Amino acid sequence: KAGVTQTPRYLIKTRGQQVTLSCSPISGHRSVSWYQQTPGQGLQFLFEYFSETQRNKGNFPGRFSGRQFSNSRSEMNVSTLELGDSALYLCASSSSGLSYNEQFFGPGTRLTVL
Amino acid sequence: QKEVEQNSGPLSVPEGAIASLNCTYSDRGSQSFFWYRQYSGKSPELIMSIYSNGDKEDGRFTAQLNKASQYVSLLIRDSQPSDSATYLCAGPRESNTGKLIFGQGTTLQVKP
Repeated sequence: KAGVTQTPRYLIKTRGQQVTLSCSPISGHRSVSWYQQTPGQGLQFLFEYFSETQRNKGNFPGRFSGRQFSNSRSEMNVSTLELGDSALYLCASSSSGLSYNEQFFGPGTRLTVL
Repeated sequence: QKEVEQNSGPLSVPEGAIASLNCTYSDRGSQSFFWYRQYSGKSPELIMSIYSNGDKEDGRFTAQLNKASQYVSLLIRDSQPSDSATYLCAGPRESNTGKLIFGQGTTLQVKP
């Protein structure tokens, strides 16, 4: 079974631009969660999608948004980029997102904002 | 605020020794916990999950959960230099959502 895939793997943007990141979960998995990882803050939850609906959201500004498609693929968008948005963005998939389901991470997208 | 706490380390052990990594959590209702290993520059890799009190063994890894004391631990037997990484404890997950709460991670260094 193929793992979680994320594209692109690396991105360099300038302040004020916007960016879209993509995540394809493990086949059959319907829950996709997004996390931001920075050296100072560790792994921070952004949001989770299940069956095309946002089920939970972390404490991030409205510039961070996402969506999920009917095939469970998910995209995350960040508008009006700031220097502090430089981070590793990770998506994780699980079969149903219930408390006993294991989450599996993709390789991540490393975003650098100049 | 539900919290998961870990000692950031680094924890240094000689090759062949047992490495003991610990994690405490604040929500008494927590049911599921996960240990991830993350090599520098890579994404987290799930190595153990535990749902009930007691021990769960998988190869050189043993996860321990003590709900009364609200701690989770990971033991790595016969530690190898390749085990050098950051170990992340995750949980509790909020019911019916995909929100994992991570500790800050413990850096393990296994010295040859």
